[in-house]
Amino acid sequence: NAGVMQNPRHLVRRRGQEARLRCSPMKGHSHVYWYRQLPEEGLKFMVYLQKENIIDESGMPKERFSAEFPKEGPSILRIQQVVRGDSAAYFCASSPAGQGRYEQYFGPGTRLTVT
Amino acid sequence: SQQGEEDPQALSIQEGENATMNCSYKTSINNLQWYRQNSGRGLVHLILIRSNEREKHSGRLRVTLDTSKKSSSLLITASRAADTASYFCATDRITGGGNKLTFGTGTQLKVEL
Repeated sequence: NAGVMQNPRHLVRRRGQEARLRCSPMKGHSHVYWYRQLPEEGLKFMVYLQKENIIDESGMPKERFSAEFPKEGPSILRIQQVVRGDSAAYFCASSPAGQGRYEQYFGPGTRLTVT
Repeated sequence: SQQGEEDPQALSIQEGENATMNCSYKTSINNLQWYRQNSGRGLVHLILIRSNEREKHSGRLRVTLDTSKKSSSLLITASRAADTASYFCATDRITGGGNKLTFGTGTQLKVEL
């Protein structure tokens, strides 16, 4: 059973460009979470999605950031017009459906560098 | 202090010694989880303890939870150099069928030979 997959692992973008980060959850998992980690800090929740639905986006910046989890394919975190402050590691986690299943399994992360 | 704040921030011990890390949080929780992160890598889930549990073991790991004090501790016994990593506690509150995690700033553990 493959773990959570994220790609790319490293992404370099110039200011003003768009960044697209992809996440494929573990097989059988229908809940996806995105977190951001700034250098020397813990992870901060951004958004929680189920298939075709955004459930909680309370941690998402109001502008330039969007996320989706389509019926088919990976979840996408999209950052438009990137700025240097967007440089961080972005982690995706997935968990199985159903009550009482709360462990989240993390992908290896995408390290975004904005130059 | 923030939800899920670890103490100490950094810890350096000799191989074979025990390492204890503490985590404090502010709001009521459903579960508390501990994760390990090696430098520049993703997070590895170590252990989950539910709010109605007081202690849990997994191999060389022992986790305690005191909901009255809103604190948890992670004990790694007989540490190894491979245990060198950052350790994070994360708390959750169930919302809408899922659970977003609130992470602390982590404890950096260094185990020296």
